[in-house]
Amino acid sequence: AQSVAQPEDQVNVAEGNPLTVKCTYSVSGNPYLFWYVQYPNRGLQFLLKYITGDNLVKGSYGFEAEFNKSQTSFHLKKPSALVSDSALYFCAVRRSGRNTGNQFYFGTGTSLTVIP
Amino acid sequence: EAQVTQNPRYLITVTGKKLTVTCSQNMNHEYMSWYRQDPGLGLRQIYYSMNVEVTDKGDVPEGYKVSRKEKRNFPLILESPSPNQTSLYFCASSLYPDMNTEAFFGQGTRLTVV
Repeated sequence: AQSVAQPEDQVNVAEGNPLTVKCTYSVSGNPYLFWYVQYPNRGLQFLLKYITGDNLVKGSYGFEAEFNKSQTSFHLKKPSALVSDSALYFCAVRRSGRNTGNQFYFGTGTSLTVIP
Repeated sequence: EAQVTQNPRYLITVTGKKLTVTCSQNMNHEYMSWYRQDPGLGLRQIYYSMNVEVTDKGDVPEGYKVSRKEKRNFPLILESPSPNQTSLYFCASSLYPDMNTEAFFGQGTRLTVV
């Protein structure tokens, strides 16, 4: 089965410190990986995606993600966390194949809290 | 402004009373889909549509119907809602169903079935 896993339900980090939100994936073929953020009472907002090329992907709001094929990981990172980064983060893989609609498969989400 | 608009944002209804949640996008996207979000389960796809008049089931389609008569609209219909359909629902669209295109999400509809 093609899926993503987010091993941490909750991540706490002090403001100004680097943050990492973990994601591992399991897909057959080339992975198409995405990160989304959900603020309270809002829909999901696209942060960044990995399709091919450089393993370090830069996205919105200073976030970046590192694709590691050998470890099948796609961790989200930011060098210096802000209180406003506190939100729910979802990793997703887009699955290919007939009768799948190339749908997104989401992880269960990681709640990030940045402590002032 | 490019957006996906869902209505209503909040809905409380009773078991068995038919309801429709509307979804509209103004980006001329071909691909639209519906998800439900439940604690500990993440988002799960209910139905998707590759284009007008083309719809198909996702992972959790039971108890739901959809239609795609126009490119911009993709309503979600619950013919006979039950309490296990209490959830947070999101509509999403992307320009194409291609693997490398991201999706845009509506703000969500919180449905409670009592």
